[in-house]
Amino acid sequence: DAGVTQSPTHLIKTRGQHVTLRCSPISGHKSVSWYQQVLGQGPQFIFQYYEKEERGRGNFPDRFSARQFPNYSSELNVNALLLGDSALYLCASSVASGTQSSYGYTFGSGTRLTVV
Amino acid sequence: GESVGLHLPTLSVQEGDNSIINCAYSNSASDYFIWYKQESGKGPQFIIDIRSNMDKRQGQRVTVLLNKTVKHLSLQIAATQPGDSAVYFCAENRGAAGNKLTFGGGTRVLVKP
Repeated sequence: DAGVTQSPTHLIKTRGQHVTLRCSPISGHKSVSWYQQVLGQGPQFIFQYYEKEERGRGNFPDRFSARQFPNYSSELNVNALLLGDSALYLCASSVASGTQSSYGYTFGSGTRLTVV
Repeated sequence: GESVGLHLPTLSVQEGDNSIINCAYSNSASDYFIWYKQESGKGPQFIIDIRSNMDKRQGQRVTVLLNKTVKHLSLQIAATQPGDSAVYFCAENRGAAGNKLTFGGGTRVLVKP
């Protein structure tokens, strides 16, 4: 059974450009969350989506947006890229939203974004 | 703002010895904590969790201790193996806010043969 898959695995963009990152959750999982992990730090929460609705938003500027599709896959979009957006972007999926159990909360391997 | 943090950035341990990784949290309302292991090039992998109504929880070779009085969390790894070399994060899950995890800064564990 496939885990959480993210694409692309690596990406290099220029300042000011736009980027779209993609995530496919584990089959049967309806919730997708996005995290940004800057090198040497812990992941920071960006968004959570459940059943195509936004359920949570972290402290990120409006340049960051996301959406979830009917098949529960998700896209994270970042506009007007800054050097500081260089990071590993992680996607995590779970069966439901709001559950206090991380057994079913699975992370993908991430997309490494480098902004030059 | 409130956050979950770690005391030691790097921990070197001899193979076979026990490892202890510490974590402090500042939100007294936190009620659920998780330890994750992250290997190079991979996403965080769940190790063990504990709810605030517990003081201790054991898994296979791992034990998590929670001291709510001093807002301290620790992960003990018994008989550390080379495969345990990774970065370890504690995280807080505020269930009422959905699956939002607040991570600490991480501790790198290096296992010496």
